Amino acid sequence: AQSVTQLGSHVSVSEGALVLLRCNYSSSVPPYLFWYVQYPNQGLQLLLKYTSAATLVKGINGFEAEFKKSETSFHLTKPSAHMSDAAEYFCALRHTNAGKSTFGDGTTLTVKP
Amino acid sequence: EAGVTQFPSHSVIEKGQTVTLRCDPISGHDNLYWYRRVMGKEIKFLLHFVKESKQDESGMPNNRFLAERTGGTYSTLKVQPAELEDSGVYFCASSQDMRATGELFFGEGSRLTVL
Repeated sequence: AQSVTQLGSHVSVSEGALVLLRCNYSSSVPPYLFWYVQYPNQGLQLLLKYTSAATLVKGINGFEAEFKKSETSFHLTKPSAHMSDAAEYFCALRHTNAGKSTFGDGTTLTVKP
Repeated sequence: EAGVTQFPSHSVIEKGQTVTLRCDPISGHDNLYWYRRVMGKEIKFLLHFVKESKQDESGMPNNRFLAERTGGTYSTLKVQPAELEDSGVYFCASSQDMRATGELFFGEGSRLTVL
């Protein structure tokens, strides 16, 4: 069975500081990994995805994530936080074509001025 | 192009009543998914339609939940009778991409409160 663990339900950073949101996964087969973001009163939207083409994946709004098989991790980073990055972030994995996704519990990012 | 729309955005009902949630996917998206998030925990899979057929309903919690997608367009999720533990946010997502790498497009969710 597959699972996703997001370490830290709440992360707070200052504006301009590094953002690091942690995601570890457990999977018996190579997974496809995703980060989604949910802004207040909106649906989830895709930030970036790992499709095995490259281990370092760049997404929208300056975010990137690195797939590390040895650590079973797919942490999300952004060099400099902006106030508009305040949102909830979800890590997810998927195996089968168009099949179900398994999500983590989510991490709420707060950005302090 | 319209995104995934869900109705109602919020529903408050008494235990034992019935509620029907509706999802309109992006036009042309054959894949439609229902997910649920309870008490700020993980977003859990409920079921997956491909057009009007149920591809995977392994996440449906029990037979009080009934999902339909007549004609392969919009979908409804009925909870009858509702229990307290059914409270949560129900998300609908759609996708045209049949690959595992395909992006899901989510609606804003329907928040269900059962009193």
